[in-house]
Amino acid sequence: GAGVSQSPSNKVTEKGKDVELRCDPISGHTALYWYRQSLGQGLEFLIYFQGNSAPDKSGLPSDRFSAERTGGSVSTLTIQRTQQEDSAVYLCASSHSGGPGEQYFGPGTRLTVT
Amino acid sequence: QKEVEQDPGPLSVPEGAIVSLNCTYSNSAFQYFMWYRQYSRKGPELLMYTYSSGNKEDGRFTAQVDKSSKYISLFIRDSQPSDSATYLCAMSAWGSNYKLTFGKGTLLTVNP
Repeated sequence: GAGVSQSPSNKVTEKGKDVELRCDPISGHTALYWYRQSLGQGLEFLIYFQGNSAPDKSGLPSDRFSAERTGGSVSTLTIQRTQQEDSAVYLCASSHSGGPGEQYFGPGTRLTVT
Repeated sequence: QKEVEQDPGPLSVPEGAIVSLNCTYSNSAFQYFMWYRQYSRKGPELLMYTYSSGNKEDGRFTAQVDKSSKYISLFIRDSQPSDSATYLCAMSAWGSNYKLTFGKGTLLTVNP
């Protein structure tokens, strides 16, 4: 079946602009995650959604970052007033129940802030 | 000190070699241990998942967890050129087991 899809695959933006990154999870998966992968820091947890529960936002690096999940499916990660240090690959994952060892990752969105 | 340390390599081996990849960690609350493989420009894919200490084998892959030493390993037997990728260890704690902490990854090249 279809895996996790993300769009766009690449995004180049100017410093100070806002960007929106989209994630379509695997159908039927109730849990959705966002991670950031950068050369210096590796892969870092950003935010976790599980069903109708309040999301765990503890990994968001600043208040310029926010995420929504509409209808328990599609999610959007928004970065406001982008900075050069936001340049990274943003990865989305989904899982059936939110446990470890079952997160399926999408291909990522490569964000470059100039 | 980072919570999870992983030698970034690069590691280059001939085809058929046994590969050993390792991570150490400092957080004694970690209970769940995973290895992911990531090809260039792709998302990570889960290879092995282990709960607590012990060994797990799946085909050519063996994962070992030694919680007393805070040390995990992944062994690849009869390595193939198609195994060339970055290998990431990941772990999580009881109570927030969905929140994975990753090592920075080891870049492996298997030469034909």
